[in-house]
Amino acid sequence: EAGVTQSPTHLIKTRGQQATLRCSPISGHTSVYWYQQALGLGLQFLLWYDEGEERNRGNFPPRFSGRQFPNYSSELNVNALELEDSALYLCASSALGAALHEQFFGPGTRLTVL
Amino acid sequence: GEDVEQSLFLSVREGDSSVINCTYTDSSSTYLYWYKQEPGAGLQLLTYIFSNMDMKQDQRLTVLLNKKDKHLSLRIADTQTGDSAIYFCAESMKTGTASKLTFGTGTRLQVTL
Repeated sequence: EAGVTQSPTHLIKTRGQQATLRCSPISGHTSVYWYQQALGLGLQFLLWYDEGEERNRGNFPPRFSGRQFPNYSSELNVNALELEDSALYLCASSALGAALHEQFFGPGTRLTVL
Repeated sequence: GEDVEQSLFLSVREGDSSVINCTYTDSSSTYLYWYKQEPGAGLQLLTYIFSNMDMKQDQRLTVLLNKKDKHLSLRIADTQTGDSAIYFCAESMKTGTASKLTFGTGTRLQVTL
């Protein structure tokens, strides 16, 4: 069974640009979670999508947004990039009604903002 | 606050035991978790413990929970070089009607020969 996949692996942008990160969940999973792992800050919860709707949001500004498509894949968009947005962005998926520990993580997209 | 705190770095010799500590904030957390992150890989759930338990053992891993002090620890017996990774503790936290995982900053475990 294929795991959670993310693309691209690496992304380099400059300040003010927009970044789009993609995530494909495990087949059969309907929930997608996004986390930001910045140096020294651990993982910060960004967004949770389920059945195409945003269910929960972390303490991030509105320029962090996303969506979930009918096939349950998801995009994370970061507008007006700032240097401190440089981080590893992790996506996780889980099945409907799953407990929090039943999230399966992808390998991440490393975003570098110059 | 939502701070889950861990020490940043731990170095142990191969064959010794490793103890990684974590303090959390939400006394109502139902579960507490330990994840492992190896270079270039996503997070892997190692183990978790119900908040009404004091201890859980799973092969080389022992989790201890002190609810009074909100302290969680992970002991790895007979640490191997393959255990070198970043270890994150996490707690489940309710926000409104939903729950989310709140992670610590991670502890980098270095295993030396």
